Amino acid sequence: LQLRASGPGLVKSSETLSLTCSVSGGSISSSNSHWVWIRQPPGKGLEWIGTVFYRGNANYSPSLQGRLTLLVDTSKNQLSLRLHSVTAADTAFYFCARRFGDFGYYFDPWGQGTLVTVSS
Amino acid sequence: SYVLTQPPSVSVALGQTARITCGGNNLGSKSVHWYQQRPGQAPVLVVYDDSDRPSGIPERISGSEGGNTATLTISRVEAGDEADYYCQVWDSNSDHPAVFGGGTQLTIL
Repeated sequence: LQLRASGPGLVKSSETLSLTCSVSGGSISSSNSHWVWIRQPPGKGLEWIGTVFYRGNANYSPSLQGRLTLLVDTSKNQLSLRLHSVTAADTAFYFCARRFGDFGYYFDPWGQGTLVTVSS
Repeated sequence: SYVLTQPPSVSVALGQTARITCGGNNLGSKSVHWYQQRPGQAPVLVVYDDSDRPSGIPERISGSEGGNTATLTISRVEAGDEADYYCQVWDSNSDHPAVFGGGTQLTIL
């Protein structure tokens, strides 16, 4: 299974960031497939921002609730992320990954992240 | 929300043993996972469920847990082990369930 996140690289402040995560080597809609988005500001640590399930429902980080939408496109075997009203604080590497495990979930594999810079 | 605490940096001589700790309240009741992130790369899972290794991870990388502290141990360290290491737990009772430690930069001397 391989994942690869991609996006525009540069987004203007107050606009909407849109990213996709292409999944290969497996179906995004297989039973119990759960996917996460994680971001990492340059030089800083990892932050979970949301989980999306193969049926399309999602859970979001409280800090981004209301601005973030996570979607599944089964026809393209892709995940997508939309973050509205971005600010400089949203500048980060964005990673997609599969969530694994029974109760204490972990993330494997991760896609190669994509850097998003928010400019004023 | 739940907090995991890691030392910002650990240094070890080539060929020696590195130990990276991760502390959290009542951590023993949770499954701890560890990731290695080399510069410019995505994180890679190296230990899951406290002490299990994914396929392809060498046996000299191991995890353990006791009380409120989990430990990632890397024996016979190599230059390629120089990376940032993150611990992670899933806190099902939280609205922010995925928690990462702040990360530890491992430097090989």
